[in-house]
Amino acid sequence: DAGVIQSPRHEVTEMGQEVTLRCKPISGHDYLFWYRQTMMRGLELLIYFNNNVPIDDSGMPEDRFSAKMPNASFSTLKIQPSEPRDSAVYFCASSLGGREQFFGPGTRLTVL
Amino acid sequence: QQQVKQSPQSLIVQKGGISIINCAYENTAFDYFPWYQQFPGKGPALLIAIRPDVSEKKEGRFTISFNKSAKQFSLHIMDSQPGDSATYFCAASYAGTYKYIFGTGTRLKVLA
Repeated sequence: DAGVIQSPRHEVTEMGQEVTLRCKPISGHDYLFWYRQTMMRGLELLIYFNNNVPIDDSGMPEDRFSAKMPNASFSTLKIQPSEPRDSAVYFCASSLGGREQFFGPGTRLTVL
Repeated sequence: QQQVKQSPQSLIVQKGGISIINCAYENTAFDYFPWYQQFPGKGPALLIAIRPDVSEKKEGRFTISFNKSAKQFSLHIMDSQPGDSATYFCAASYAGTYKYIFGTGTRLKVLA
């Protein structure tokens, strides 16, 4: 079975550009999570969805970040405009029921 | 505000030895405590988890010990192997939510 799929795996962009990260959760899972991992802040939850509905977005750093889940098999995390401090590894995770979360391989974002 | 404190930051163990990683939490509203394992370039993977009504849980070589009164829990890896070399994260979530608060991670190296 395919796990969580994220694209792109690596993204390098310049400050001020729009960045869109994509995630395909495991089929049948009803929860989807977006995390960010940095050396300074560790692993932190940005937002999570249940049945495509955002439940908790308290971790979204600011209005430059937005996330959508238009259907059960696809989600995006958008940063507009991007800044160098957004450089991090972004993980998407999915879960059936919410507890056991399966992480994708991550997208390494570098903002120059 | 660090709600889950993890130690040590790094750990070196001989093959066959016992690896012990500790976490302490502050908020008694936490009701689920998972441990995740992360290899370089990969997403975290759930290893084992425990609820506060249980003092110990064992799965293979991995054991969680939980001390509710002290608000501490630990991961024990018995018969540590070089393949266990990875970063380990403890986490906690509040009752009624699936928002994990992660510890800062422990980088484990098992010498052959």
